Amino acid sequence: EVQLLESGGGLVQPGGSLRLSCAASGLTFRNYALTWARQAPGKGLEWVSTISYSGDNTHYADSVKGRFTISRDDSKNTLYLQMNSLRAEDTAVYYCAKRQWPDPFDYWGQGALVTVSS
Amino acid sequence: EIVLTQSPGTLSLSPGERATLSCRASQSVNSNYLAWYQHKPGQAPRLLIYGASSRATGIPDRFSGSGSGTDFTLTISRLEPEDFAVFYCQHYGSAPYTFGQGTKLEIK
Repeated sequence: EVQLLESGGGLVQPGGSLRLSCAASGLTFRNYALTWARQAPGKGLEWVSTISYSGDNTHYADSVKGRFTISRDDSKNTLYLQMNSLRAEDTAVYYCAKRQWPDPFDYWGQGALVTVSS
Repeated sequence: EIVLTQSPGTLSLSPGERATLSCRASQSVNSNYLAWYQHKPGQAPRLLIYGASSRATGIPDRFSGSGSGTDFTLTISRLEPEDFAVFYCQHYGSAPYTFGQGTKLEIK
C-alpha cells in the first residue's frame, strides 16, 4: 500500500525558515516525480513545486520562487521542501503527491500544517 | 500559464440528483492533460478523473468527465451522501500545474 507522510510543520515567525519532509513507502520511489501543493485557510488548492523522478528538473510557482527549494533523497525515500523567508501568506496545509509521466498526481498525503505568525 | 476557471462556485443539490461542474481553461490543454480531484476537510485530495475522461482506479462509474481543448465537465450522475465535497480541476501537461479555484458541492 502506498503511503506518503508529511512532517515538519509547525509555527514559525515571519522571515523564518522551516523544512517539510514527505516520507514514502509502498512504491519504487525513484520512479516518480513528486510535488508539493498547499491549501491556505478558507482557500483552494495551490500547486507549489514539482521535482522530476531524476531530480534534474524542478519547477516552482511564482509565489514561492527564490524562497522555497524542493529536493529528494532516494536513499531515504523522502521528499523535502525547504522554506525560507516565510510570510504570513505561506500559512497553509502542505500536501505531497506523486506522479509517473504521463499520468497526473494520483496519490496524496494527509498534509502538514505550517503557520507563519508572530 | 494556463488559468483554470471553475463554475459554479457553489452547487446546492440533493442526494439522487445530477451534478454538472465546469472547468474552462485560458488556453488549450495539450493532449487533454486535465484531471479532477475531490477534496474533503482534513483528508488528502482524491484523484477522480484524468485525461479529461478516464476514471481513476476505484472511482465509481457515477463519476464521468468530458470535454477537450478549453472546456471540460465533471458529471456525477446520481449524488450519494459521501459525494459532497469541494472539487478541483488541474492541468498537468507542463508546469505550472495550476488548479481551478474549486466548486463546493453542498447538500441542499
